[in-house]
Amino acid sequence: SSELTQDPALSVALGQTVRITCQGDSLRSYYANWYQQKPGQAPVLVISGENNRPSGIPDRFSGSNSGNTASLTITGAQAEDEADYYCNSRDSSENHPIWVFGGGTKLTVL
Amino acid sequence: QVQLVESGGGVVQPGRSLRLSCAASGFTFSTYGLHWVRQAPGKGLEWVAVLWYDGSHKYYEDSVKGRFTISRDTSKNTLHLQMNSLRAEDTAVYYCARLNSDFNGMDVWGHGTTVTVSS
Repeated sequence: SSELTQDPALSVALGQTVRITCQGDSLRSYYANWYQQKPGQAPVLVISGENNRPSGIPDRFSGSNSGNTASLTITGAQAEDEADYYCNSRDSSENHPIWVFGGGTKLTVL
Repeated sequence: QVQLVESGGGVVQPGRSLRLSCAASGFTFSTYGLHWVRQAPGKGLEWVAVLWYDGSHKYYEDSVKGRFTISRDTSKNTLHLQMNSLRAEDTAVYYCARLNSDFNGMDVWGHGTTVTVSS
């Protein structure tokens, strides 16, 4: 079955850099997209495609892709970056498109 | 501004039906595909279904195939999710999200509507 794998939890000291990774076969064909979700709120797109930030997303967020692995990097993490982060990509099943999400990474900013 | 607003959630008994709606505004509805994504309590995001911008194609996650139907009313800029034969495991917050085909991702999300399946 289609699957994207993320570390369940990570922590980072305030102002330091953290990399959140996502692995899966679908990433060999499609870019990962990354979403930030804070408690009680809807997800927000933070990185799309190769490495694109929607308007309003700080430039400390960046993305990269290599083989079956995608990464979201936060350079100089801030307290407000504490959230759950999900990767997702398009995939295919029985010759039709589907979308898959990673299990999410809970990021704690210390 | 670009906005998606879900409605129609509630408490329903197992085996019953519910219809969710998602009202879109601030963009040309007929030029975007739309997804439903759900999140069970304390769990991660799960893709449910997608409908192409022109309504020509619709695809579903395996566990909802044959029970859920995604549709759109272009005259009302509204997306629907008809959910039949509901199960306890369908309990979740249901989000609609806009498909951006440039990167095959979801660039705009609604606030969600809660569905609880319980006897």
